[in-house]
Amino acid sequence: AQKVTQAQTEISVVEKEDVTLDCVYETRDTTYYLFWYKQPPSGELVFLIRRNSFDEQNEISGRYSWNFQKSTSSFNFTITASQVVDSAVYFCALSKVAGGTSYGKLTFGQGTILTVHP
Amino acid sequence: EAQVTQNPRYLITVTGKKLTVTCSQNMNHEYMSWYRQDPGLGLRQIYYSMNVEVTDKGDVPEGYKVSRKEKRNFPLILESPSPNQTSLYFCASQSAFVKRGYEQYFGPGTRLTVT
Repeated sequence: AQKVTQAQTEISVVEKEDVTLDCVYETRDTTYYLFWYKQPPSGELVFLIRRNSFDEQNEISGRYSWNFQKSTSSFNFTITASQVVDSAVYFCALSKVAGGTSYGKLTFGQGTILTVHP
Repeated sequence: EAQVTQNPRYLITVTGKKLTVTCSQNMNHEYMSWYRQDPGLGLRQIYYSMNVEVTDKGDVPEGYKVSRKEKRNFPLILESPSPNQTSLYFCASQSAFVKRGYEQYFGPGTRLTVT
């Protein structure tokens, strides 16, 4: 069975602070994908990044960066110089891949509510 | 515009009255899913479909039905809704091909209240 744990239920920071959202996953599969989604107050789910299990390169996109470490089964997300617009719920998710397909089965973590104060 | 649409967006109903939430995607995606979102529990998959006439249970299928008669549509049916099905529901679609990415694209959500 797959499991994703986001231990931080809520995080509150002041604008311009850096913040890291933790994600730890469990899977017996050797091939899988990891994702981060953002849910702003308006409610829609916005895809941020995907990473496959064979690619442990960290990624940076503007103020966002992701650190994938297979050895600790973690896929953490850092926002540098946070802004009020970053306030949202952030979800980490895991998808099994077998035979070259993901089967459309996605397991989400509980989500982390990030509040950035001006 | 590539999108997943859901209707209705808001629904208040009474216990036991059958209802259907529609979902449609225009991206020609093979996979479609339904999720429910509850506070503190994240999103949990209800059912998913890998293609027309191919569906499978997710993590919380009890009390729900689905069908996939056309590639673009994946309705969610609650035959006898109960108050514990009050939740925010999301439909999603995804390509089966790795070159198009395995991320799921979500509809805007349907907020259901069962009294």
